[in-house]
Amino acid sequence: GAGVSQSPSNKVTEKGKDVELRCDPISGHTALYWYRQRLGQGLEFLIYFQGNSAPDKSGLPSDRFSAERTGESVSTLTIQRTQQEDSAVYLCASSSSLGSNIQYFGAGTRLSVL
Amino acid sequence: DQQVKQNSPSLSVQEGRISILNCDYTNSMFDYFLWYKKYPAEGPTFLISISSIKDKNEDGRFTVFLNKSAKHLSLHIVPSQPGDSAVYFCAASANNQGGKLIFGQGTELSVKP
Repeated sequence: GAGVSQSPSNKVTEKGKDVELRCDPISGHTALYWYRQRLGQGLEFLIYFQGNSAPDKSGLPSDRFSAERTGESVSTLTIQRTQQEDSAVYLCASSSSLGSNIQYFGAGTRLSVL
Repeated sequence: DQQVKQNSPSLSVQEGRISILNCDYTNSMFDYFLWYKKYPAEGPTFLISISSIKDKNEDGRFTVFLNKSAKHLSLHIVPSQPGDSAVYFCAASANNQGGKLIFGQGTELSVKP
């Protein structure tokens, strides 16, 4: 597609359930980033991928969070045993290379944990 | 700790006037700065950027100024238009950090007709 695509756009889940969020980056973009935006806050870095490897996972809040990327394309962010504080908008971005600072964002997945 | 700060949560400006959005940072390793614009229910959209080797970058109605000694940057929009109403985020990156962006909390700009 022309831009970064994220699915689902909205997800409501019960506390304790696992969720999987998907990101399709811009075709040919080798770098992929995940961010989280809590209500009224700025974007918070979670993890980035260069190709299929993740050199920096420092932003993942706990071991309940994991991410993978396959085929240098689609990435999934998985949250296990969701908690209410996980409620946020999860945003994915891609850039053409690691050296390119400009990142292009998807519309995000709004996660609500009840 | 908040490495990038936008101290004004909101700003209201009359159409046709100048909008000035401010951003401060603490990490001297940051060498690239960006402004993103965000409408509700959409992802942030890249607006303009500046490298630390420059002190000004201009693109149409948008100009970004960087004062490295003060660790301060600002975005000027002139003339402001109602369509500019959105949340503006300042972001910074360091060359040795893989391109990850550190964002400020955002400033909501309202341009009134």
